[in-house]
Amino acid sequence: NAGVTQTPKFRVLKTGQSMTLLCAQDMNHEYMYWYRQDPGMGLRLIHYSVGEGTTAKGEVPDGYNVSRLKKQNFLLGLESAAPSQTSVYFCASSLSGFADTQYFGPGTRLTVL
Amino acid sequence: AQKITQTQPGMFVQEKEAVTLDCTYDTSDPSYGLFWYKQPSSGEMIFLIYQGSYDQQNATEGRYSLNFQKARKSANLVISASQLGDSAMYFCAMREGQDDKIIFGKGTRLHILP
Repeated sequence: NAGVTQTPKFRVLKTGQSMTLLCAQDMNHEYMYWYRQDPGMGLRLIHYSVGEGTTAKGEVPDGYNVSRLKKQNFLLGLESAAPSQTSVYFCASSLSGFADTQYFGPGTRLTVL
Repeated sequence: AQKITQTQPGMFVQEKEAVTLDCTYDTSDPSYGLFWYKQPSSGEMIFLIYQGSYDQQNATEGRYSLNFQKARKSANLVISASQLGDSAMYFCAMREGQDDKIIFGKGTRLHILP
């Protein structure tokens, strides 16, 4: 099992550009999550999904969109990147809910100039 | 008010000593869960241990144990016989039953000294 994988690992964008981060899991988990981690802070939940075809807003959803067309994939989109979105982005998945152990991907370091 | 408070931004501990990382939480929901995660310098997040609010006994996983004091609303992580590889950032997190989300603390950076 690869667990949770994220692509890309690093990305530099200019303000106003768009991009999509891909998260994939091979554990047949229902729940998937996108977090951001800023320097000196813990993780903050951006969006999450409770199953294929569903998405929900987390704590800091503005400026991001997500899609879960396939159970194993959870995409995070930035339509018009801003410097405030410079962060490390983590994807995670869990079997059947927030109370279950969340397994994290290695993270994507995004810099917006 | 912060839901999860980790008061130790950094700690230095001698190898082989036991370590206690503090975590206090704030919730009025009787159903909640507490998590500890480790984040090494490589960046990935690693689940360590989980404690449910209704669990009768303190959770243990190998060298990790959770000192759960419900009345004090604290869920401290204890690492026994620390190792150099324990040097990392440690995050406490909470899931509240109604909210169904996980909230993370700001973390404690642990340095194990040889």
